Amino acid sequence: QKEVEQDPGPLSVPEGAIVSLNCTYSNSAFQYFMWYRQYSRKGPELLMYTYSSGNKEDGRFTAQVDKSSKYISLFIRDSQPSDSATYLCAMEVGGSYIPTFGRGTSLIVHP
Amino acid sequence: EAGVVQSPRYKIIEKKQPVAFWCNPISGHNTLYWYRQNLGQGPELLIRYENEEAVDDSQLPKDRFSAERLKGVDSTLKIQPAELGDSAVYLCASSLGTPNEQFFGPGTRLTVL
Repeated sequence: QKEVEQDPGPLSVPEGAIVSLNCTYSNSAFQYFMWYRQYSRKGPELLMYTYSSGNKEDGRFTAQVDKSSKYISLFIRDSQPSDSATYLCAMEVGGSYIPTFGRGTSLIVHP
Repeated sequence: EAGVVQSPRYKIIEKKQPVAFWCNPISGHNTLYWYRQNLGQGPELLIRYENEEAVDDSQLPKDRFSAERLKGVDSTLKIQPAELGDSAVYLCASSLGTPNEQFFGPGTRLTVL
């Protein structure tokens, strides 16, 4: 079993839909949680960075962390075709400076 | 502000040939990472530098891979000799350290024939 599990998809939704992307993890020492967006043939781009449990909002994006369930989510409101990309979750043990990435979920938002 | 620069963007080589990748991090970022990303997978760390010191290279296959970061700025990752299984995207990232918000370059897509 991998430390970070993420469904590869693809997840296909209509424009304007609310998207929910999720990751589970097994290492209870993870303290930092990140979401990256990766367009085809580009490097990952950091979207959200959270430390504690709870919600963090940034525009149309909301990151949610539930440490008790070892489960993190990224919600995208009013999804746009430009949101079509692969979304990678990543987690880090405090002080390690080494993130462990999920395999990414491919999201397709169709007009 | 310029992002992380990598070159070349694409490289096709025959197996057993050497290959080198170059990375220029964001100015002022003391931490530099090299990752390998296989198709359909997330990035996996190869090596992490703090300034010019390699502080984590446990995942670097040292029999064929080497890296250096002279003067704590640019970095080079080398493979010699390349094998078919080395075909992947090699990503460079940099950060200020704390918090560990990493900025990635576009990657070098390596194909070994």
